[in-house]
Amino acid sequence: DGGITQSPKYLFRKEGQNVTLSCEQNLNHDAMYWYRQDPGQGLRLIYYSQIVNDFQKGDIAEGYSVSREKKESFPLTVTSAQKNPTAFYLCASSMRRAGRNERSGKLFFGSGTQLSVL
Amino acid sequence: GENVEQHPSTLSVQEGDSAVIKCTYSDSASNYFPWYKQELGKRPQLIIDIRSNVGEKKDQRIAVTLNKTAKHFSLHITETQPEDSAVYFCAARNNNDMRFGAGTRLTVKP
Repeated sequence: DGGITQSPKYLFRKEGQNVTLSCEQNLNHDAMYWYRQDPGQGLRLIYYSQIVNDFQKGDIAEGYSVSREKKESFPLTVTSAQKNPTAFYLCASSMRRAGRNERSGKLFFGSGTQLSVL
Repeated sequence: GENVEQHPSTLSVQEGDSAVIKCTYSDSASNYFPWYKQELGKRPQLIIDIRSNVGEKKDQRIAVTLNKTAKHFSLHITETQPEDSAVYFCAARNNNDMRFGAGTRLTVKP
């Protein structure tokens, strides 16, 4: 969907290397999310952030780190501690709470980054 | 945290038949239930959603039903077409985060 951009589209990681995936949105959304998708499987939540300078671990946070210094940006670092990083990574954003506003709660996804290990 | 289970994992139907995908959730605080369609190598696209104050919602050939008491919700696609073939994900959201089911690969045979 327009307004949320992930880069790069493809990324290769060497042994012991940290790599950072970029996610930027201009939708003025408060909440941002990172999901990991393995082939033929569902989306698993890595980290999410409801507001600037705050973020929480999802179900599979080990080996990953994030920052939320700006509302528009939520980069994900895959550290060397993540032993099986090969996957499709999806960033998403939404209005902060699933309230009565019809637009709130809806997740908008970026186009994804495919990370592979060399 | 929330746990979402989705069935079946694969579903094959003849063109024109109906398809039904079912999900259950664990967190009674969840109040928003979207369904996403994902084609190979692409981002998930929202196709329909329902909020906890509504029991059913319909959009052309697609409908979603929600049973809050039983904590389950279902996607119904009628008059299926080959272009409906994709992976479908359900999700449940409380006020903090969104959790997804494992997905259903739907194949519509012409």
